[in-house]
Amino acid sequence: QVQLVQSGAEVKKPGASVKVSCKASGYTFTSYDINWARQATGQGLEWMGRMNPHSGNTGYAQKFQGRVTMTRNTSISTAYMELSSLRSEDTAVYYCARGSWGDVWGQGTTVTVSS
Amino acid sequence: DIQMTQSPSSLSASVGDRVTITCRASQGIRNDLGWYQQKPGKAPKRLIYAASSLQSGVPSRFSGSGSGTEFTLTISSLQPEDFATYYCLQPETWTFGQGTKVEIK
Repeated sequence: QVQLVQSGAEVKKPGASVKVSCKASGYTFTSYDINWARQATGQGLEWMGRMNPHSGNTGYAQKFQGRVTMTRNTSISTAYMELSSLRSEDTAVYYCARGSWGDVWGQGTTVTVSS
Repeated sequence: DIQMTQSPSSLSASVGDRVTITCRASQGIRNDLGWYQQKPGKAPKRLIYAASSLQSGVPSRFSGSGSGTEFTLTISSLQPEDFATYYCLQPETWTFGQGTKVEIK
């Protein structure tokens, strides 16, 4: 079946970077964009950006421009989201989702930023 | 930028009630709107796409309507498993509504 499986929880110190992976299976990885969103505890969903796995083209939300990088490895059907210069406000659950319509989501990756 | 305004932010309802949630777009978005359900500790799940198309496997008590700037999600008869938070999403810009928490009265 179609699924996205994300990497495990991370604990990082302020100023560090984190790289979250999202492995696709059950469909042709390069046929759908991958969107990334995050959710702080008790808050709503916030879009971070999207990547076209076929071309590698990306589009980032203005809020994250300069701090986020989305990449992929097509040989293993995996997308990556790297966020740098972490601060406490980046503590959240990070999700990947398939396509513009988000029909399939990863299970989420908890990133905790704490000194 | 397109803004999505969702209301109400929360509501209390009983099993069997009819529930309606509204999402308004700051400009016309044709029928480019999806509805998602999220339960605590879980990823969002798509219920509706293209404003009114029911995702496969989603119970028929869920329905969506609207086009342009005003959209609604209706649950015709609320069931215990429907208590959750619901979000609308404009897929072109991935702009979410603020969410509606449906709680037990």
